[in-house]
Amino acid sequence: SQQGEEDPQALSIQEGENATMNCSYKTSINNLQWYRQNSGRGLVHLILIRSNEREKHSGRLRVTLDTSKKSSSLLITASRAADTASYFCATDIEAAGNKLTFGGGTRVLVKP
Amino acid sequence: DAEITQSPRHKITETGRQVTLACHQTWNHNNMFWYRQDLGHGLRLIHYSYGVQDTNKGEVSDGYSVSRSNTEDLPLTLESAASSQTSVYFCASSDLQGATSEAFFGQGTRLTVV
Repeated sequence: SQQGEEDPQALSIQEGENATMNCSYKTSINNLQWYRQNSGRGLVHLILIRSNEREKHSGRLRVTLDTSKKSSSLLITASRAADTASYFCATDIEAAGNKLTFGGGTRVLVKP
Repeated sequence: DAEITQSPRHKITETGRQVTLACHQTWNHNNMFWYRQDLGHGLRLIHYSYGVQDTNKGEVSDGYSVSRSNTEDLPLTLESAASSQTSVYFCASSDLQGATSEAFFGQGTRLTVV
């Protein structure tokens, strides 16, 4: 079974709007990561947040982590057409080594 | 620049044939992983390796095998291809010694079993 589950499964917004997607997971984690996948391509790392962090920013990305609720959110501000992609959360469980467990992803469409 | 490459990018094979997908990384990473991606399932871990001669089963390892004879390569073998193994396969690597466990992904191999 998947460790992470993203919500919503799909999201359609206008350029310039913000996009928010959520990730819930089941077990304690070492860190949580977000990846982007453009159609037909491999995954690209966006941001990592450690279990002792609550919020992290990188450019137009903002990630929050609530370990008590076992959930994380990814906010993309001022979205652009180039942000159209699938976004995946992945959890790293330290006891299991350095392997990542991925959720099913959120497909984001940014309309120009 | 360091990179991770997969070959072939596309493969069509027949049921029952043995197939090997190649993964080569020049990051000098200790960790290497194979995932498969199917609609509705996201990415699922098949096998992984934390170093030379180390291999471990992931969530969906049945029908697959890997070997790690050097740092750079982790080939994935389908012993007897089945239609259920039609999927997109991704190889990834990461550095256990690094500050983060960020994974770097290859471009993927689209495998069709007919």
